[in-house]
Amino acid sequence: GAVVSQHPSRVICKSGTSVKIECRSLDFQATTMFWYRQFPKQSLMLMATSNEGSKATYEQGVEKDKFLINHASLTLSTLTVTSAHPEDSSFYICSASVPTGGWYEAFFGQGTRLTVV
Amino acid sequence: GQQVMQIPQYQHVQEGEDFTTYCNSSTTLSNIQWYKQRPGGHPVFLIQLVKSGEVKKQKRLTFQFGEAKKNSSLHITATQTTDVGTYFCAGHSGGGADGLTFGKGTHLIIQP
Repeated sequence: GAVVSQHPSRVICKSGTSVKIECRSLDFQATTMFWYRQFPKQSLMLMATSNEGSKATYEQGVEKDKFLINHASLTLSTLTVTSAHPEDSSFYICSASVPTGGWYEAFFGQGTRLTVV
Repeated sequence: GQQVMQIPQYQHVQEGEDFTTYCNSSTTLSNIQWYKQRPGGHPVFLIQLVKSGEVKKQKRLTFQFGEAKKNSSLHITATQTTDVGTYFCAGHSGGGADGLTFGKGTHLIIQP
């Protein structure tokens, strides 16, 4: 199947700093990627849809100035958590959907565990 | 917006017992997908159901999609310790190229 690579897998940062997370599709081109957030023992919540060459679409309640998304190429989307605070600590996961026989299969990155201290 | 409810939240079973998790959507789904997430890992795709009333099997796993395309279930027969993890259902209400709406997941704990 398709491979989505996410980096870094873990990051610890100080409160007030910014952190960039990369999501790459390794063996296919992804015009659309998705960013999810998962709190411990909870479900994945869609944060935003990243569109290559255009602005991301954010879900209700997600601050676009806080979570900057850039999708500059067909294989790379980045999520930057700006001015991070401890409440931003979470597991962030990206995915890309690949058309497969009339439907779409989602492939997920390995996830990034962000800890803000 | 679309909501996907999933029960139970936690399920403890003895190894060898069966396990079922149920998923209900507030809206009709174009398709439903099931994922498994091991502790510390990322979700891994298991299967997609598209047709009304569809039933698919993968070894000990049986997946069903309701006639109204609003509910689904995953049944595991004779659980093994390797089945431990969280099982999520996730739905698309649109054409499928949009992001997924996930259920809260069912955490399966197996006691040997």
